[in-house]
Order: sequence, then C-alpha cells, then structure tokens
Amino acid sequence: QKEVEQNSGPLSVPEGAIASLNCTYSDRGSQSFFWYRQYSGKSPELIMSIYSNGDKEDGRFTAQLNKASQYVSLLIRDSQPSDSATYLCAVLGSSNTGKLIFGQGTTLQVKP
Amino acid sequence: GAGVSQSPSNKVTEKGKDVELRCDPISGHTALYWYRQSLGQGLEFLIYFQGNSAPDKSGLPSDRFSAERTGGSVSTLTIQRTQQEDSAVYLCASSFAGPYEQYFGPGTRLTVT
Repeated sequence: QKEVEQNSGPLSVPEGAIASLNCTYSDRGSQSFFWYRQYSGKSPELIMSIYSNGDKEDGRFTAQLNKASQYVSLLIRDSQPSDSATYLCAVLGSSNTGKLIFGQGTTLQVKP
Repeated sequence: GAGVSQSPSNKVTEKGKDVELRCDPISGHTALYWYRQSLGQGLEFLIYFQGNSAPDKSGLPSDRFSAERTGGSVSTLTIQRTQQEDSAVYLCASSFAGPYEQYFGPGTRLTVT
C-alpha cells in the first residue's frame, strides 16, 4: 500500500463545474496535509493546507479532511481552463521531521 | 518578496562527473528541504535542514549524495560520480521553523548523459 494515494486521472470536467480531487493516506498519526498545483514543466505551488477535521475554504478552493477515514479532498468550484494542471496531495509524516510524502498526483483537465 | 531560488536551472553532465546544485531559501525561513522529481518516481524527499543541521537525511539515495547548509541560509546538494539514474528535477523548498507550509523553488533539471 502506498503511503499517499491519488487517482492519477485524468479527471475531465467542463468549465464552470466543480472538480473533486481525492487522496488517502496510510499513516494514522499524520497531522498536516497540503495540496499543491503543478503546471507542466513547473514546480509545485502550494494552494491549500489543512490541519483539522472538517472543511477549509479559500476562494474557489475547499479542502476537506477526515482523519478517522484517513481521507483528504480538494474541491475546486467554478473550474476554469487555467485550473488544468496536476494536483499533488502531500502529507507530513508523523515523525514530524518536515518530510512531505507526496501522492502521484491527479491530472485535471477543464474543458471550455 | 523573493521566493526560493535555485541554480543552475538546467545542468547537463557526463556520467561520472560531480555536480553541485544550489538553493537560496525565502528570507527568514529557517527550514530547508531537498526533493527530487522523476517520471517514474514522483516527488521524493531527500533531506531536511533546520538551521545548519540536518535532522533527517533519510531520503538521500546513496553515499554519492550529500548536502550542506551554511549560515542558516544557502544550501548545496552535491552528487558525486553521477549516474544516468540521477537524471531528474531537483527541487528545493523552504518554510518557517519546520515543519510548516513548504514553498518550492523552480528546480534544477539535471541530465546525466
């Protein structure tokens, strides 16, 4: 079992729709969770962090965390073609040394 | 303010040569991290610095890889006797006293021929 799992996609949604990206993790002691966006040929860009169970909203983005189910998700409302990218879920290991464990990423395609 | 900077942006080297990659973190960030990203492996952790010390070197793939950080700022990742499997994008990230939100630099694309 991979430590952080994501569906590689591609996930294709029409412009204006809600895109839902999911991630599961294996380390029950993990406390910090992050979503990064990566455009082709570019480095990862931090878009959301979440530390507590529940929802956290920032503009069109909502991160959801359920520690009991070891599940993190990212919702993107009113998806735009510029949102087309690979979304990486990252989990801070319970050893708390700063090591981020990344999923393989989900490719999102937003079609005009 | 200025983000994380890395140099060079691209490096082509011959198998067996040594290379040095440089990272300059965001001003005020005390924690610095090195990762690498390759097609088959995704993004993998290499090493973490808090100040000048490296509490976690667990991701360094072999003893050909080493890293140092001086003055609590700039870090250098050195790869000795490069191999073709070292070809990847090497990414540096920094954060306030770790482990918090990590911000990545643009990366160095290393190609070993």
